[in-house]
Amino acid sequence: NAGVTQTPKFRVLKTGQSMTLLCAQDMNHEYMYWYRQDPGMGLRLIHYSVGEGTTAKGEVPDGYNVSRLKKQNFLLGLESAAPSQTSVYFCASSYYPGYLNNDIQYFGAGTRLSVL
Amino acid sequence: GNSVTQMEGPVTLSEEAFLTINCTYTATGYPSLFWYVQYPGEGLQLLLKATKADDKGSNKGFEATYRKETTSFHLEKGSVQVSDSAVYFCALSDLGGGGNKLTFGTGTQLKVEL
Repeated sequence: NAGVTQTPKFRVLKTGQSMTLLCAQDMNHEYMYWYRQDPGMGLRLIHYSVGEGTTAKGEVPDGYNVSRLKKQNFLLGLESAAPSQTSVYFCASSYYPGYLNNDIQYFGAGTRLSVL
Repeated sequence: GNSVTQMEGPVTLSEEAFLTINCTYTATGYPSLFWYVQYPGEGLQLLLKATKADDKGSNKGFEATYRKETTSFHLEKGSVQVSDSAVYFCALSDLGGGGNKLTFGTGTQLKVEL
């Protein structure tokens, strides 16, 4: 019962470096999401996907790109990291919300990213 | 747009005390309401939910009632334990635009002491 798995768990980057965060889910969920969590601000949606090959912008998409080439994977990319992107990043997934309880999102354990 | 406001923490209680964490929301339409809990070093997990007015969600001794007239979804527990120490997030869902987007409150940290 892996659920939602995020890699890596921790990462330190220098300003301007790039990296990709990987999210994998084994629940056959159609929907996947990337959030960032900052002190005093709760979780904010960066990008989301409603199915393989689709992506859409959330509340705070600037500076990030995503891809959903396979149904079970959702990648978050930072092309040129900035100190403002220091945060904890969470991936989540859910079924298509057409039925009772299909709107419940399941979260990974998070990736703590520091940009120096 | 949608928003969720919850009481600031940290909230510190003694074991067996009564807990209330206030949550109010602003939304168009009729969103589902959620409480998620985050234990130290872990991701969020669903605690309870309610989908329509007057619904009561409950789990692990926690309860919350969807109050449309006061746009509230306060979390309560009659007797907290040390193991309840965590950060609690109130959230609402927005199915508009084809996505199942959650809007979160800022979170309330609960510390329970012996």
